[in-house]
Formats: sequence, C-alpha cells, structure tokens
Amino acid sequence: SQTIHQWPATLVQPVGSPLSLECTVEGTSNPNLYWYRQAAGRGLQLLFYSVGIGQISSEVPQNLSASRPQDRQFILSSKKLLLSDSGFYLCAWSVRGVRDEAFFGQGTRLTVV
Amino acid sequence: KQEVTQIPAALSVPEGENLVLNCSFTDSAIYNLQWFRQDPGKGLTSLLLIQSSQREQTSGRLNASLDKSSGRSTLYIAASQPGDSATYLCAVRGNTPLVFGKGTRLSVIA
Repeated sequence: SQTIHQWPATLVQPVGSPLSLECTVEGTSNPNLYWYRQAAGRGLQLLFYSVGIGQISSEVPQNLSASRPQDRQFILSSKKLLLSDSGFYLCAWSVRGVRDEAFFGQGTRLTVV
Repeated sequence: KQEVTQIPAALSVPEGENLVLNCSFTDSAIYNLQWFRQDPGKGLTSLLLIQSSQREQTSGRLNASLDKSSGRSTLYIAASQPGDSATYLCAVRGNTPLVFGKGTRLSVIA
C-alpha cells in the first residue's frame, strides 16, 4: 500500500534561519506531489506542485522554494524565514489518471519566532 | 479563478442526529471533488471522491452528492457520533490542483 512520510512534525525556527521540510512517498511511482500551507483561520493554500523530477510549478510568490530530486521525494525550502511563514505545512500526492485522488501527510507545524 | 465555499463554518449537534454539510464552487468545469476530514493538529484524511461524471458516492455512514451544473456538493452524515467531531473540508480539482474550502468544524455532543 502507499504511504506518505513527512517530517519533522513540529519545528520552531528563528527569523532569518533556513528551512528544509522533506516529504517522501512509498508504494507508488511517478506521483504528482504537492505542498500546501494552512494558516490559522484560512483555508489550505497551494504553494507548489510537481508532475515529475525537476518539474516544479509555483502558485504563490514568496521566499519559499521546492525541489524534487527523486521521483518520490519533495522538499520545501527557504533561505531566510519570515514571521509570516509560520503555519501548518502539508505534503500530498496523487496518481495521475481519471480518478486522481489526493492523499495527505501528517503535516509539519512551523513556528517562526 | 475557482473559489470554494463551505457552509456552515461550524456546527454543533447532539449524538445520533443526521446532518448535512454544504460545499459550493464557482467554476463547474471540474474533474472531481473530494471530501476530507481533519482532526486538530493532524493531516487530512480522504473520505470520499466523486468524479465529475458521478452523482454520488457512499462510504459507511457517509454519503456525498455532486451537482456539477449548479456547483454544489453535500456531505450527509447519518447517525452522528462523538468520534465524528472534526473539521470537514471540501476540495475541487479542475485544470489546477485541488482548491479547498475553509471547512466546517463539526462537534457531536454525547
């Protein structure tokens, strides 16, 4: 069966520090991968999505970036965190096709102080 | 740009009641619609997926319907239980990845 791993679960980082969040998927190949952010009182906001290795689409201009170095690995990064980067970050995957059902990881709670 | 709205934002019901959660979307050109459950501080759990050609899907006590032409979906929960307490999110997929509503926070009181 397919599983998605996302770590760390919680993270407290100072303003201006770098960030690296990792997500890996097991049990499937060539998935679509997504990073969403959920801020308090707001809905889920799509940040990045990828349809293949090295292919990244950005939905929101910001100081975050994403990379997909391997087929089932998706990384969210920042060189310098801002207070406004605090939130709940969720990784998701889906298999391309008619059904295209999305499955989510357990999320990372990021607090920038 | 697709927009998804969920009504009500919060709902509190006594145990055993049947209830309906509503979801509306502005662009009817969708491929599918998904309902998710989110417990506090946790990720999203997929409950039901309705493809654009379908009218409804059922899983246990849950039934989701889709009226694509009117841009509406409902999630029906039968015989609610305290364990159903969570936030329920609706999301639609069109030419872009999933677009989410802000969710309905459900509390089922024992």
